[in-house]
Amino acid sequence: DVKVTQSSRYLVKRTGEKVFLECVQDMDHENMFWYRQDPGLGLRLIYFSYDVKMKEKGDIPEGYSVSREKKERFSLILESASTNQTSMYLCASRQGWEKLFFGSGTQLSVL
Amino acid sequence: ELKVEQNPLFLSMQEGKNYTIYCNYSTTSDRLYWYRQDPGKSLESLFVLLSNGAVKQEGRLMASLDTKARLSTLHITAAVHDLSATYFCAVDHQGGSEKLVFGKGMKLTVNP
Repeated sequence: DVKVTQSSRYLVKRTGEKVFLECVQDMDHENMFWYRQDPGLGLRLIYFSYDVKMKEKGDIPEGYSVSREKKERFSLILESASTNQTSMYLCASRQGWEKLFFGSGTQLSVL
Repeated sequence: ELKVEQNPLFLSMQEGKNYTIYCNYSTTSDRLYWYRQDPGKSLESLFVLLSNGAVKQEGRLMASLDTKARLSTLHITAAVHDLSATYFCAVDHQGGSEKLVFGKGMKLTVNP
């Protein structure tokens, strides 16, 4: 069965901390995505990657960076966490134009 | 820039009733996806619509795509409480980029 695994379901961090969110997929998909979900705003794309070491900015990349050193793993990095980055973070992957497969999400709280 | 709009954003309906929800998008695309999200859970795929006139059905839900009107509909037949969830549509950028743009989601509540 297809799987996208996010390392943490809940995370609490302090303002200014560096935060790593990890995502692993076992489907050999080329494309991986990071979205954040906020009430009333739907899903907004932060970054996506279409190949190892390749990345492209989404709609709201400010304050975030990403890393894709291996095909199966896509990491989202908050260089210096701020309270306005408190959100649900969803990782997803897909092959070409197929449907997205989502991880279970990480609820991040920045205090 | 591709924009995706869902209408309505909130819907409360009674069990047994029918209703249609809408998803409009602003630029040419022939790939549209519907997802469902239960409270506290992630998104799961419902339908993939890949051409003009595509129609897919699963249980009490039927989705269709009109690429000329840039419109997809999700029709609910004889709603039941288990359909209560948030429904998202998402559209592919046409022209090379494999990123999906999502609507804001429609929260459906089906009351007994």
